[in-house]
Amino acid sequence: ETGVTQSPTHLIKTRGQQVTLRCSSQSGHNTVSWYQQALGQGPQFIFQYYREEENGRGNFPPRFSGLQFPNYSSELNVNALELDDSALYLCASSGGSGGSYNEQFFGPGTRLTVL
Amino acid sequence: GEDVEQSLFLSVREGDSSVINCTYTDSSSTYLYWYKQEPGAGLQLLTYIFSNMDMKQDQRLTVLLNKKDKHLSLRIADTQTGDSAIYFCAESIPRGYSTLTFGKGTMLLVSP
Repeated sequence: ETGVTQSPTHLIKTRGQQVTLRCSSQSGHNTVSWYQQALGQGPQFIFQYYREEENGRGNFPPRFSGLQFPNYSSELNVNALELDDSALYLCASSGGSGGSYNEQFFGPGTRLTVL
Repeated sequence: GEDVEQSLFLSVREGDSSVINCTYTDSSSTYLYWYKQEPGAGLQLLTYIFSNMDMKQDQRLTVLLNKKDKHLSLRIADTQTGDSAIYFCAESIPRGYSTLTFGKGTMLLVSP
């Protein structure tokens, strides 16, 4: 069984640029959630995708957007990057034939630094 | 509203028991979770408890839930240096989809 994987592991961007982060869900999981973890904080929910549709969204502006593909992998896109977007971005998968919707399994994260 | 609070730091000696505490505010929470995060890593699901349970035991881990006081605790028996990490409490509130609200984490330091 393959766990949740994310790419890239680290990324450095400058203000105003755009970034795409990628996540492959655990085998059998059909739901992907994205979280932002600022330094010294707990993760904050960005949004969730279920069967290629956005299923729920946290308190993040529209410049945070996402996609889910037929194989349930997902992308997080952030436009017009700001310094405060510097954080660890975590992807979690759940549900489907591979698990319960009550258990979210996290990937190792992508560390984004905005200069 | 949703708010999850944890103490920030706990230091114990190897072999002792550790108890990490958490309080939450939303009485409609259905599940409560404990995750572990080691430096530079993602979150590892340790255990979780359904809101109608009082206690759950899983090997060295014991979760206690006091729903009246909205208090959750994680006890780690025979704490080892490898248990040093940040521990996050999280709640899941039903809203048509399942998402987690996390506390800020408790850093557990285990000394030999």
